[in-house]
Amino acid sequence: QKEVEQNSGPLSVPEGAIASLNCTYSDRVSQSFFWYRQYSGKSPELIMSIYSNGDKEDGRFTAQLNKASQYVSLLIRDSQPSDSATYLCAVKDSGYALNFGKGTSLLVTP
Amino acid sequence: DGGITQSPKYLFRKEGQNVTLSCEQNLNHDAMYWYRQDPGQGLRLIYYSQIVNDFQKGDIAEGYSVSREKKESFPLTVTSAQKNPTAFYLCASSNRGRETQYFGPGTRLLVL
Repeated sequence: QKEVEQNSGPLSVPEGAIASLNCTYSDRVSQSFFWYRQYSGKSPELIMSIYSNGDKEDGRFTAQLNKASQYVSLLIRDSQPSDSATYLCAVKDSGYALNFGKGTSLLVTP
Repeated sequence: DGGITQSPKYLFRKEGQNVTLSCEQNLNHDAMYWYRQDPGQGLRLIYYSQIVNDFQKGDIAEGYSVSREKKESFPLTVTSAQKNPTAFYLCASSNRGRETQYFGPGTRLLVL
């Protein structure tokens, strides 16, 4: 069973702070990693993808990957109330489908 | 305007009834996927298709069926054999050889 683990939260951060979301995965051969944002009642939308160890930045978002530790994280700088959502970590191995974590609920308070 | 469309937005199923969820994409993507999401749960893969006229079972295929007669379309049928169908159903697509999957708006299935 290929597992993707996330803390369900809720993670509460004040507006303007850095939100740190974490994800661990069990399958060592995993090659591709994705973060999706899902607002309540809506479908997931892609935020970031990362394929190699290190950091990848896109605007206020930074994805970090450490394959040796089987760990991927998402940092959101200058968090805004509009960032309040559930963040899904998804991991792809050599197959075709994505394995999803259950998501971390983020609440950004004004 | 490229994207993935799913219909209907809400669907009600009576006991013993088969229902079909529509998924259409105009992104020219080769691969299409169906996921199920239950409250507080991650997405679970039902079926996927990499090319026309070919599809593979995912982790929870029992009680579901699919077809892929056209590249643009990947309908999902929830059969009467699926005893707990109430969930949020999400269709996704991706380019063959690229892993990034994009999702449609979803269909919420409820049982009467």
